[in-house]
Amino acid sequence: KQEVTQIPAALSVPEGENLVLNCSFTDSAIYNLQWFRQDPGKGLTSLLLIQSSQREQTSGRLNASLDKSSGRSTLYIAASQPGDSATYLCAVTMDSNYQLIWGAGTKLIIKP
Amino acid sequence: DGGITQSPKYLFRKEGQNVTLSCEQNLNHDAMYWYRQDPGQGLRLIYYSQIVNDFQKGDIAEGYSVSREKKESFPLTVTSAQKNPTAFYLCASNHGGGGTGELFFGEGSRLTVL
Repeated sequence: KQEVTQIPAALSVPEGENLVLNCSFTDSAIYNLQWFRQDPGKGLTSLLLIQSSQREQTSGRLNASLDKSSGRSTLYIAASQPGDSATYLCAVTMDSNYQLIWGAGTKLIIKP
Repeated sequence: DGGITQSPKYLFRKEGQNVTLSCEQNLNHDAMYWYRQDPGQGLRLIYYSQIVNDFQKGDIAEGYSVSREKKESFPLTVTSAQKNPTAFYLCASNHGGGGTGELFFGEGSRLTVL
């Protein structure tokens, strides 16, 4: 059974720092992996989608990498800003049945 | 602008009442989903539909019902059989075979049982 883990559950860093959020999964037979952002009391916003054949995707200050063999993905945020404060979730789509399996998220706080 | 609209944003229900949450999308997506989110927990799938007039139970379907009569609409009814309905409910949709494309979400509906 696929399990998706995000560690740490919470992270606080000063503004301007580069940071990495982690997502690990136990079954490498995935179709794709997505990173989302959720602001308090709001819906989720898709940040990046990486297909299983890809190694990374970039959007602005965000870069997501995928290493299927090791069961890991990272979300790199460059030059962090207070507006980046949110909960970040990752989800994998299973190759077998296209079901989404979710991590519990990392709550990120960027201190001014 | 294309997107997903959920309504109402806030809803209060007395015990024993059924309530229906609306979800409408104008993205022309085939697949639609309902998730429940509780504090400190990940998203849990209630129901999903990959095509009109067809839907499947998710991990926590008991006490909920859905319909998919139109491609754009996927309403969720929280019935009185749901023992702990107070939660944040999220509707989502995507393209792709089996629903494998980028997932888009609505703004959510917060249900509180009084």
